[in-house]
Amino acid sequence: DTGVSQNPRHKITKRGQNVTFRCDPISEHNRLYWYRQTLGQGPEFLTYFQNEAQLEKSRLLSDRFSAERPKGSFSTLETQRTEQGDSAMYLCASSLEGGATEAFFGQGTRLTVV
Amino acid sequence: AQSVSQHNHHVILSEAASLELGCNYSYGGTVNLFWYVQYPGQHLQLLLKYFSGDPLVKGIKGFEAEFIKSKFSFNLRKPSVQWSDTAEYFCAVNARTGNQFYFGTGTSLTVIP
Repeated sequence: DTGVSQNPRHKITKRGQNVTFRCDPISEHNRLYWYRQTLGQGPEFLTYFQNEAQLEKSRLLSDRFSAERPKGSFSTLETQRTEQGDSAMYLCASSLEGGATEAFFGQGTRLTVV
Repeated sequence: AQSVSQHNHHVILSEAASLELGCNYSYGGTVNLFWYVQYPGQHLQLLLKYFSGDPLVKGIKGFEAEFIKSKFSFNLRKPSVQWSDTAEYFCAVNARTGNQFYFGTGTSLTVIP
């Protein structure tokens, strides 16, 4: 499968714990996005990388969240001191660079904070 | 900032009925427009896209959408739905010169056999 891959698929954690998710984009895509989706809502933008540079961050991405893409390939999204409100589906997408391009999504990581 | 509005939150149709889902966006510049579909338990998949040219675009599984620039709309249509079209449909837009994709809140379509 050469699509966008996310791990783990599901994560249940206790409030206050730290969690890290991984995204492997389509190999030739230099743009990588993180989105969050809650029930009944569309995906909400969190952050965006072009190669290894994090170029944009949403206000939704509080100080407890950090994303990295150290070598311009895979990316990690870490949440520190998780709260129940962090429970959501975290989606990763990738795309080629350019004005006319589409995003390809992974299957997401469902985080449940108990 | 850009925004996307989907007017139908939940649509229920019988098989063979025609479908039209509304999508309006707010942005004054050149945009790319998309419809994504999310089948139960699956990831978001691209249904169709508009970059430029013919404003009537055809996608997979018999879906089509029409870009009406004057109305800032990109409505999704299908002449005859099937039970297998039951899914969540999301309209999305990104600025030609921008980065992120903006999504609507989605429309849940249920097709009754």
